[in-house]
Amino acid sequence: AQKVTQAQTEISVVEKEDVTLDCVYETRDTTYYLFWYKQPPSGELVFLIRRNSFDEQNEISGRYSWNFQKSTSSFNFTITASQVVDSAVYFCALRGSQGNLIFGKGTKLSVKP
Amino acid sequence: DAGVIQSPRHEVTEMGQEVTLRCKPISGHDYLFWYRQTMMRGLELLIYFNNNVPIDDSGMPEDRFSAKMPNASFSTLKIQPSEPRDSAVYFCASSLRNRNYEQYFGPGTRLTVT
Repeated sequence: AQKVTQAQTEISVVEKEDVTLDCVYETRDTTYYLFWYKQPPSGELVFLIRRNSFDEQNEISGRYSWNFQKSTSSFNFTITASQVVDSAVYFCALRGSQGNLIFGKGTKLSVKP
Repeated sequence: DAGVIQSPRHEVTEMGQEVTLRCKPISGHDYLFWYRQTMMRGLELLIYFNNNVPIDDSGMPEDRFSAKMPNASFSTLKIQPSEPRDSAVYFCASSLRNRNYEQYFGPGTRLTVT
């Protein structure tokens, strides 16, 4: 069975704090892809990053960074120096052999000024 | 380039009526997905197509739901008859196989069935 767990339902931080969103996945596939999407209050789903199962290098994009660890089946997302505009629901997703994305329940991040 | 286009953005209808949601994928994409988002169930896949052919419709709730993709640039999701429990945001997404399946989502259609 394939599953994505985002244990943190809601997180609230003050602007400029660093925050890490956790994602744990389950799959029996040897090749798979992991994704993060952002859903701001306006409702659209914005693609942030894709990671292949055979590439465990961490990635940094501006204030965003992702830590992929196959040993713990985790793909965590860190926002450094958070800003109010980062307030959104963040979804972690897994694509297995069937083609569709399996989403976690999402983590609602509130960044307060 | 235009992203995924969905229409209408909002739909309010009465129980029992037929509802048709429309989607235009990104030009050149060979996969198209329909998702539904609710507070209770989160984001769930309803059906997806590859090269206009339905591949997996196991997520379609029941026979009241049907989806078609008559050509590479258009898909519909139809609910007939609609029920209040169908109220949700319906997203269409498309992807390209040789881009490692990154899915790009449309703005969604917010459906309210009264």
